[in-house]
Amino acid sequence: GENVEQHPSTLSVQEGDSAVIKCTYSDSASNYFPWYKQELGKGPQLIIDIRSNVGEKKDQRIAVTLNKTAKHFSLHITETQPEDSAVYFCAASIFSSNTGKLIFGQGTTLQVKP
Amino acid sequence: DTEVTQTPKHLVMGMTNKKSLKCEQHMGHRAMYWYKQKAKKPPELMFVYSYEKLSINESVPSRFSPECPNSSLLNLHLHALQPEDSALYLCASSQEREGSYNEQFFGPGTRLTVL
Repeated sequence: GENVEQHPSTLSVQEGDSAVIKCTYSDSASNYFPWYKQELGKGPQLIIDIRSNVGEKKDQRIAVTLNKTAKHFSLHITETQPEDSAVYFCAASIFSSNTGKLIFGQGTTLQVKP
Repeated sequence: DTEVTQTPKHLVMGMTNKKSLKCEQHMGHRAMYWYKQKAKKPPELMFVYSYEKLSINESVPSRFSPECPNSSLLNLHLHALQPEDSALYLCASSQEREGSYNEQFFGPGTRLTVL
């Protein structure tokens, strides 16, 4: 089955710096890759996603890149702010005739120091 | 309305109690999910309902019993739980149509403690 590995497990940056979180997946049939941000005491929030027919997607300070050949995708956060501090999860999914099951990475705890 | 709501926010129960968790969405989504999340771990899928029918059961113990009364509501009935079942229980929903990539939207979760 699909396996998603996420690195690093913890990341500490200074406010204003960039942060990069990387994920690799094993099943080449995966075609949807969302990123979730989870703040303390809250549910995961979908912040950006990418589909296998594009290589990069941006939304203000957040971008995601996908390399299908290498089977890895990355989250880039520029000009980090203290409110970006949270746990970030990547996931991979294979669309099926029923429901696309999300396979999550183990998470990255991002700390942005003011 | 673009949110998934869950009640209660917190629940403490004994091992002999029966309780229920509730989830509601009004986004017209036809797929709904229950996840279990332990501290510092990713969510683990438990159940998926698609068009109000159970489509995935990830070998969850029978002390957890899901129910989907209609397309907007999802319940999780709990009975004879163990202390190791203490966790954050998350509900999610997504569109369910051909070509959809199943963007899943999560609720805030119910923090369950089993004594």
